[in-house]
Amino acid sequence: DAGVTQSPTHLIKTRGQQVTLRCSPKSGHDTVSWYQQALGQGPQFIFQYYEEEERQRGNFPDRFSGHQFPNYSSELNVNALLLGDSALYLCASSLDGTLAYEQYFGPGTRLTVT
Amino acid sequence: DQQVKQNSPSLSVQEGRISILNCDYTNSMFDYFLWYKKYPAEGPTFLISISSIKDKNEDGRFTVFLNKSAKHLSLHIVPSQPGDSAVYFCAASELSGNTPLVFGKGTRLSVIA
Repeated sequence: DAGVTQSPTHLIKTRGQQVTLRCSPKSGHDTVSWYQQALGQGPQFIFQYYEEEERQRGNFPDRFSGHQFPNYSSELNVNALLLGDSALYLCASSLDGTLAYEQYFGPGTRLTVT
Repeated sequence: DQQVKQNSPSLSVQEGRISILNCDYTNSMFDYFLWYKKYPAEGPTFLISISSIKDKNEDGRFTVFLNKSAKHLSLHIVPSQPGDSAVYFCAASELSGNTPLVFGKGTRLSVIA
């Protein structure tokens, strides 16, 4: 049983560009959350998708957007990249209504903005 | 404004001894607390949790203590093993359902053989 998978593993982009990160949830999970982990910081909640809609959102600008597909996979899009967007982006999946500890994290995508 | 604080960026412990990792929080609405372990190039993995109605939860070598009045929790690892070397994150949430987790900055634990 594959766990949470994310692609790509690493990515280098230039300021002002746009980027799309992808996440496939653990089998049986229907909810996907995205977190940003900057260097030396803990993961910070970006948003959560359930039933193909954004259900909750953290304190991130509108440049950060997402999508969830019918197969529960998800994308994170970031427009007009800034140097400060350089971070590890983590995807976590869960089954709706389950406990907080039942969120499973993927290995992350390391985004570098130059 | 950091709602979950881990004030020790790093901790070094001898193998076989006790490791104590500390975490403080400011939001009194938090009622569920978790510890995650993270190795390089991997996502955080759940380690142990505690509900606010308890003051202690134990799982093998890992014990989490919660002091609600002090808004403080700690993770004890006894005995510490070299494989425990990782970054440990404290996290909290307001509800026990599908709610976003609020993480601390993490503590890097090094267990020396």
